[in-house]
Amino acid sequence: DAKTTQPTSMDCAEGRAANLPCNHSTISGNEYVYWYRQIHSQGPQYIIHGLKNNETNEMASLIITEDRKSSTLILPHATLRDTAVYYCIVRVLSNQGGKLIFGQGTELSVKP
Amino acid sequence: NAGVTQTPKFQVLKTGQSMTLQCAQDMNHNSMYWYRQDPGMGLRLIYYSASEGTTDKGEVPNGYNVSRLNKREFSLRLESAAPSQTSVYFCASSRTEMYGYTFGSGTRLTVV
Repeated sequence: DAKTTQPTSMDCAEGRAANLPCNHSTISGNEYVYWYRQIHSQGPQYIIHGLKNNETNEMASLIITEDRKSSTLILPHATLRDTAVYYCIVRVLSNQGGKLIFGQGTELSVKP
Repeated sequence: NAGVTQTPKFQVLKTGQSMTLQCAQDMNHNSMYWYRQDPGMGLRLIYYSASEGTTDKGEVPNGYNVSRLNKREFSLRLESAAPSQTSVYFCASSRTEMYGYTFGSGTRLTVV
């Protein structure tokens, strides 16, 4: 699985959009981009994933560049409850179950 | 609510003692996983089971054994606990790779 690079920490004002970048310059054509978050001491929570096209769900939007070497997770209206560590992961989908390998993530602090 | 249940939530062991961490999911998921998370670190995969009857090593399998008892249950055993195994242990499951993982709330293990 390709390696990802994320900033260690970011701040965001409450109510503003939070844009979390992720670099994955060695991504292969069959690798998906996944985002998870971990709120203090809890188990990680799945947010969104995508292959090539931009994706949106009730939690967030995922923007993947055309060359797929980077992506951005967007939380459109960040709240204090969005304060968490956000993990960007790239991996191949496999019928054999596969493995989700976590990096260090970005610690997002949403401030009043 | 449906989800991943881990027991116990907290445990203190003496060096050399053994114990089994239990994990059960009621979502009819095929794949199950065990991760550990040390303070200030990301999650590291210990073992996973792509489907009932199969198990495979992850990034840090040494000192652990696993059993996929049935489709619902996936246990992690420490045969002779060491202080280096002090960590928070998370179990996760997934139906297929397209749907992401659901994590349990974790077991906080201290080995003294």
